[in-house]
Amino acid sequence: EAQVTQNPRYLITVTGKKLTVTCSQNMNHEYMSWYRQDPGLGLRQIYYSMNVEVTDKGDVPEGYKVSRKEKRNFPLILESPSPNQTSLYFCASQQSGYNSPLHFGNGTRLTVT
Amino acid sequence: ILNVEQSPQSLHVQEGDSTNFTCSFPSSNFYALHWYRWETAKSPEALFVMTLNGDEKKKGRISATLNTKEGYSYLYIKGSQPEDSATYLCAANTGNQFYFGTGTSLTVIP
Repeated sequence: EAQVTQNPRYLITVTGKKLTVTCSQNMNHEYMSWYRQDPGLGLRQIYYSMNVEVTDKGDVPEGYKVSRKEKRNFPLILESPSPNQTSLYFCASQQSGYNSPLHFGNGTRLTVT
Repeated sequence: ILNVEQSPQSLHVQEGDSTNFTCSFPSSNFYALHWYRWETAKSPEALFVMTLNGDEKKKGRISATLNTKEGYSYLYIKGSQPEDSATYLCAANTGNQFYFGTGTSLTVIP
């Protein structure tokens, strides 16, 4: 089954404790991206990757890192999480071409205390 | 940053009513307009991707149109059913980046 898999689904952590949210897709998509969803705001893009070893900042990259060492994986790293990073996070992938839709993972609800 | 706006913010309709929502976006630097359906506790699912001015797409009772010159898209639902209750998101794709609206929350009352 074609899918984007995110883990974990829920995570509660403390300020400053490094964490990684994993994202993996099995559709051989070139494009992958991370978003955060906060109340009253639309999904905001954190980082995106056009292909292996190619990553770029989205609109809200501060406090986040990503890597794209393999085509299927695009982990989101919070080196020193802070309470303002409490949010719902989505990973998505897209086949090359502007006619292609985004395929979303199931989301990760992160709480930083 | 691209400002994508959706209206209305929320909508309650009776089962069987037809309804429509609006998505507006800056017409410059535009590559594609996406519509997604997002149910509570699930992930957004793609409805349509449109790229050309005048595009019209249809999937069952749901259809969408695109006007890239004036920067808007309409989503129509004909004969709303309770299972149509969800948040409908639009997103403008400017090439490498996506800019989402805040969504229209639809509740269909049986």
